[in-house]
Amino acid sequence: KNEVEQSPQNLTAQEGEFITINCSYSVGISALHWLQQHPGGGIVSLFMLSSGKKKHGRLIATINIQEKHSSLHITASHPRDSAVYICAVRRLRYGGSQGNLIFGKGTKLSVKP
Amino acid sequence: DSGVTQTPKHLITATGQRVTLRCSPRSGDLSVYWYQQSLDQGLQFLIHYYNGEERAKGNILERFSAQQFPDLHSELNLSSLELGDSALYFCASSVLSGGGEQFFGPGTRLTVL
Repeated sequence: KNEVEQSPQNLTAQEGEFITINCSYSVGISALHWLQQHPGGGIVSLFMLSSGKKKHGRLIATINIQEKHSSLHITASHPRDSAVYICAVRRLRYGGSQGNLIFGKGTKLSVKP
Repeated sequence: DSGVTQTPKHLITATGQRVTLRCSPRSGDLSVYWYQQSLDQGLQFLIHYYNGEERAKGNILERFSAQQFPDLHSELNLSSLELGDSALYFCASSVLSGGGEQFFGPGTRLTVL
């Protein structure tokens, strides 16, 4: 079983819809990251969370540490939001946090005009 | 633009050959991470360097090696290439060794024929 699971794998939405992408993890973490990968391949960091909620423009990320679950919400979706969204965690190890990320498989979002 | 540069952008080579991928981190970042993204495995951690020293190894094959130089740029060497090594190779940098946001380079697309 993967340590980081995302759902759904694929998501098609109409422009303007509210979108939610979910991420569950099975290990202790020091931080969770949401990344965006456009069709060209480049990866952009959207959020880094260790608790609570963060908002940036139309994007909102939340995390529930007790339930080991995070969600990424996109309000008023737009075709330019079409991309792969990847959840990644930094595992908490004895003596501190490891540096590298462990990734989910990604959610491919397509927003139709 | 994340400030992380990778060269070359594309690389096409034959089985059995050796290639070197190069990464320059953001100014001031001491950590460099190498990740491999293949269609079947997704994003996987290969190796982490901090200020010239190897900090952690992930799923890195013995045919692969890396180093970080005094000017903090890093090189990933892939030898005895196989068809299955075809993938996108990303480096990411961060200020810290065990935490903080990671900034991804544009990636090197390696095709082994």
